[in-house]
Amino acid sequence: EPEVTQTPSHQVTQMGQEVILRCVPISNHLYFYWYRQILGQKVEFLVSFYNNEISEKSEIFDDQFSVERPDGSNFTLKIRSTKLEDSAMYFCASCILNTGELFFGEGSRLTVL
Amino acid sequence: QQQVKQSPQSLIVQKGGISIINCAYENTAFDYFPWYQQFPGKGPALLIAIRPDVSEKKEGRFTISFNKSAKQFSLHIMDSQPGDSATYFCAASMGDKIIFGKGTRLHILP
Repeated sequence: EPEVTQTPSHQVTQMGQEVILRCVPISNHLYFYWYRQILGQKVEFLVSFYNNEISEKSEIFDDQFSVERPDGSNFTLKIRSTKLEDSAMYFCASCILNTGELFFGEGSRLTVL
Repeated sequence: QQQVKQSPQSLIVQKGGISIINCAYENTAFDYFPWYQQFPGKGPALLIAIRPDVSEKKEGRFTISFNKSAKQFSLHIMDSQPGDSATYFCAASMGDKIIFGKGTRLHILP
């Protein structure tokens, strides 16, 4: 069964460092998302991406964040200068149409020291 | 207006009982209401979903009840099993924007 894959599964970084989280969405999906989940809390929307551009972003997704689809398969989230409060689980998701039927990856845990 | 309010925050149910989780939304532009199930260390997985033109949808032991006029919907898990122990998120979507509730941690006692 096709799945969304994310790397790395866990990254530890120092405050102020740049981090890139990578995702390979399901191949025929057209809409891509990043969500984050601080331990035990709600799943928070960061950004949606369609047709090679951001279609929607939340107030969390400030200038420190960027997304890119550098080739036909990868979808990346970059955090330019990490803060302690960026520590969370980051989930990539994709869907074939713009419905709520998201397929999530297993997440990348980011720990900022 | 973009919020989805979910309750309870946690729920303990005896094996074989009925688990009920409730959600409410404000924005009538939402047109799709999925429920996601998340096990520890995993990403959320779509469980069941409903559109506002029907009042109920059943898949196996899982049922969504939808009340459009009250802007509320709920998940019922019949004959709850220990394997159902997980965190459940309701969500509401319009276009490619999907907003999640805060989640309900469900524990089924064996």
